[in-house]
Amino acid sequence: GAVVSQHPSRVICKSGTSVKIECRSLDFQATTMFWYRQFPKQSLMLMATSNEGSKATYEQGVEKDKFLINHASLTLSTLTVTSAHPEDSSFYICSAQPSGSRQETQYFGPGTRLLVL
Amino acid sequence: GENVEQHPSTLSVQEGDSAVIKCTYSDSASNYFPWYKQELGKGPQLIIDIRSNVGEKKDQRIAVTLNKTAKHFSLHITETQPEDSAVYFCAASIPTDSWGKLQFGAGTQVVVTP
Repeated sequence: GAVVSQHPSRVICKSGTSVKIECRSLDFQATTMFWYRQFPKQSLMLMATSNEGSKATYEQGVEKDKFLINHASLTLSTLTVTSAHPEDSSFYICSAQPSGSRQETQYFGPGTRLLVL
Repeated sequence: GENVEQHPSTLSVQEGDSAVIKCTYSDSASNYFPWYKQELGKGPQLIIDIRSNVGEKKDQRIAVTLNKTAKHFSLHITETQPEDSAVYFCAASIPTDSWGKLQFGAGTQVVVTP
């Protein structure tokens, strides 16, 4: 149980284009999902907290207009990297918290490797 | 805010030996401490967690201990196997956050040599 999927697993795009990444909780409902970014050999950096039916909460320094988050249902959150540039290349990982459970438990997706040329 | 420090950054062990990773946290109000294993190119996998009302928890070859007074917690892996090679992250809950955010340590690269 507690399976989280991400799609796509990897994407290559041209500079200036937008990329959408989907995060789905497959066997549970998640009121809250999180989006992280991870650079090679570094820890997880929280970008934003996504709550179903409301606006996402962004961490300091993360541009909300650049990283658009939509949490339209209890099993799906999307991250759109708008006007992507090479510096946006990174490993993006989502996590989901089962609704109604102990609040803090997070289950992670497999990640999405983004390369912007 | 919460700050989590993790040591060592790298750990090499012989197969069959034990591995210990230690983390300290700064906010005494933190009450949830998960450990994640991340293999290369994959997302982190929750392997064990502990809450502040418990001092120790064990799951087969993995155990976690928590010392609330000293504000540190440790991951113990016994009888290590090559498939235990990965990066391990500790984390602590952020008490002031209502959404259940976690503060992660910097990670420990564990290499188990046959």
